[in-house]
Amino acid sequence: EIVLTQSPGTLSLSPGERATLSCRASQSVSSSYLAWYQQKPGQAPRLLIYGASSRATGIPDRFSGSGSGTDFTLTISRLEPEDFAVYYCQQYGSSRITFGQGTRLEIK
Amino acid sequence: QVQLVQSGAEVKKPGASVKVSCKASGYTFTSYGISWVRQAPGQGLEWMGWISAYNGNTNYAQKLQGRVTMTTDTSTSTAYMELRSLRSDDTAVYYCARATGYYYYYYMDVWGKGTTVTVSS
Repeated sequence: EIVLTQSPGTLSLSPGERATLSCRASQSVSSSYLAWYQQKPGQAPRLLIYGASSRATGIPDRFSGSGSGTDFTLTISRLEPEDFAVYYCQQYGSSRITFGQGTRLEIK
Repeated sequence: QVQLVQSGAEVKKPGASVKVSCKASGYTFTSYGISWVRQAPGQGLEWMGWISAYNGNTNYAQKLQGRVTMTTDTSTSTAYMELRSLRSDDTAVYYCARATGYYYYYYMDVWGKGTTVTVSS
C-alpha cells in the first residue's frame, strides 16, 4: 500500500498570500495518478486536481498542481477567504487507493 | 446536472448491518464506477472500495474484506454499499463518489452529500 504523507499538518496564512501544500508518497506514484481534494466543514470533498496537474471542471486557475514520482505539490497562488479548508491528496496509481491525512489551511 | 443522492442517516446496534444507497443522475450510469469513502468523526478520508457499474466487478479495501458488499442496480442507476457486523469504530459519514478513470485507477469527480451511520448500543 502506498502511504501518502502531507505537510504541514496545519498552515496558517492570510488572504492574498500564497499557499504551498506538500504530499509525499512512500513509493513512486505511477503515471502521476495523484489527485487533490478540498473539504469544508460539513461538506463532501470536492475534486480540485487530477493527474497531478490537471484542474477539474470549474476550479479557479489560482489552484495548480505539480510533481511526479514521490513528491507532489498543490499551490494556491493568492488565497481567497473561501479557500480556507482541509486539503487531501489521493493516489490512484495502484489498485489500493490511499489518501493523505490532510492539511488544514486556516486563517492567520 | 450530474449528481449522486444518498439515503438518509442510520443508527444501528453493534453486530447489525447497514445498507446505504446512492442514486445517480445526469450521466450514463454504466460508463463509470462508483467508489465508497468513509470519514470517522474528526478524522480523514478512508477508501472503502469500488464497483464497476458496467459489469459489477469490485475491489475492496483489505481491512473491510468479508464485511462489505457493493452492488449496483442499473435499472435504477443506484449503487449500494452494505456493511455487516458493525462495530462502534464504523461510526462515520459514508460517501459515494463517481469514479473516473480506467478500471481500478480512478479519481473521484462527483460526490454524494454523505450518509451518517452511527453504531451505538
